[in-house]
Amino acid sequence: AQKVTQAQTEISVVEKEDVTLDCVYETRDTTYYLFWYKQPPSGELVFLIRRNSFDEQNEISGRYSWNFQKSTSSFNFTITASQVVDSAVYFCALSPYNTDKLIFGTGTRLQVFP
Amino acid sequence: SAVISQKPSRDICQRGTSLTIQCQVDSQVTMMFWYRQQPGQSLTLIATANQGSEATYESGFVIDKFPISRPNLTFSTLTVSNMSPEDSSIYLCSVDRNEETQYFGPGTRLLVL
Repeated sequence: AQKVTQAQTEISVVEKEDVTLDCVYETRDTTYYLFWYKQPPSGELVFLIRRNSFDEQNEISGRYSWNFQKSTSSFNFTITASQVVDSAVYFCALSPYNTDKLIFGTGTRLQVFP
Repeated sequence: SAVISQKPSRDICQRGTSLTIQCQVDSQVTMMFWYRQQPGQSLTLIATANQGSEATYESGFVIDKFPISRPNLTFSTLTVSNMSPEDSSIYLCSVDRNEETQYFGPGTRLLVL
């Protein structure tokens, strides 16, 4: 079975705190893609990152960083020095190789308070 | 990425009626997708719409309820037929420009009374 689990339903932090959003996935495929999307209150889904299963290098983009560990089937997302504009629902998703499907987790709602 | 627009952005409809949602992309794409996001829930794929072929529906979704058109490589429509309050959701289209990444439109918020 293919599945994405985001165990954290909601996280609240104060501005400038660091926060990590957890994502655990299940797949029997050896080749697959992992994604993070952001959904602000306006509703659109914003693409943040794609990672393929053969690339376990961590990635940093500004205040955002991602930690991919195949050994634990996790693809966690850290926001450093959070800001109020980071408040959104964040979705982790899995796409098995050679399919077009995105399997989404249930999302984590992040609230950043000033 | 891609510039994707959806119309309408939101609507309030009476039960038993139908609503057609349009998705327009700024460039030609082979693959377009339609998702439903029920209130407070995650996204669920309704169907994949490729130009020149019938849409492929996921388990639990049928063509009679969600007919889809894909007349060209930049446009698609999803109709929500014979609506009930349970159809109240955000409907999103997405595209994949052969980059193995889906980019999403702004969504259509539907409320059925």
